[in-house]
Amino acid sequence: GIQVEQSPPDLILQEGANSTLRCNFSDSVNNLQWFHQNPWGQLINLFYIPSGTKQNGRLSATTVATERYSLLYISSSQTTDSGVYFCAVGSSARQLTFGSGTQLTVLP
Amino acid sequence: ETGVTQSPTHLIKTRGQQVTLRCSSQSGHNTVSWYQQALGQGPQFIFQYYREEENGRGNFPPRFSGLQFPNYSSELNVNALELDDSALYLCASSLLAGGIYEQYFGPGTRLTVT
Repeated sequence: GIQVEQSPPDLILQEGANSTLRCNFSDSVNNLQWFHQNPWGQLINLFYIPSGTKQNGRLSATTVATERYSLLYISSSQTTDSGVYFCAVGSSARQLTFGSGTQLTVLP
Repeated sequence: ETGVTQSPTHLIKTRGQQVTLRCSSQSGHNTVSWYQQALGQGPQFIFQYYREEENGRGNFPPRFSGLQFPNYSSELNVNALELDDSALYLCASSLLAGGIYEQYFGPGTRLTVT
């Protein structure tokens, strides 16, 4: 099956700083999603981005499908950005394979 | 538009018992997938249901089974519970059409097996 690696595993920032989270995957995909998991466990959809670039406010994402990686950019971090960020990929309409996540802590 | 809902929120069961978890898909969606998330790990795919039939399964034993109903809601049943089944169970819905496979997740059911 597809392997997904996320880096870094942990990231601690001061409020206002920018960050880049990376997701590498081992095979071609037709689904790539970024999620933020809140403290109660809910997975919040950030981006559906099997290829290309998207932006939503302070967040943006880029997927280079031919090189099998995706990047999530967070600018001007806020304490509410804290939590676990997951990248998940799929090569069919069925399962998503998740990475191990990046635990982001934004300090006031 | 109604999002994905799950019930119950929390559940405590004893080893060997059986449990049923429920999921209502987002309006307009025809597919439901179930995932298990152990503490400190990413979610793992259990199975998917489309048109009331299992449409793919991950590496989970047969004591994990499911149903999808005509209104696209779904149940996850786990028999002979083991301590390792303690986890957050997440349901996701999607629309299998148009080549877009985005999945939307519910708030989860936290199962504790003692």
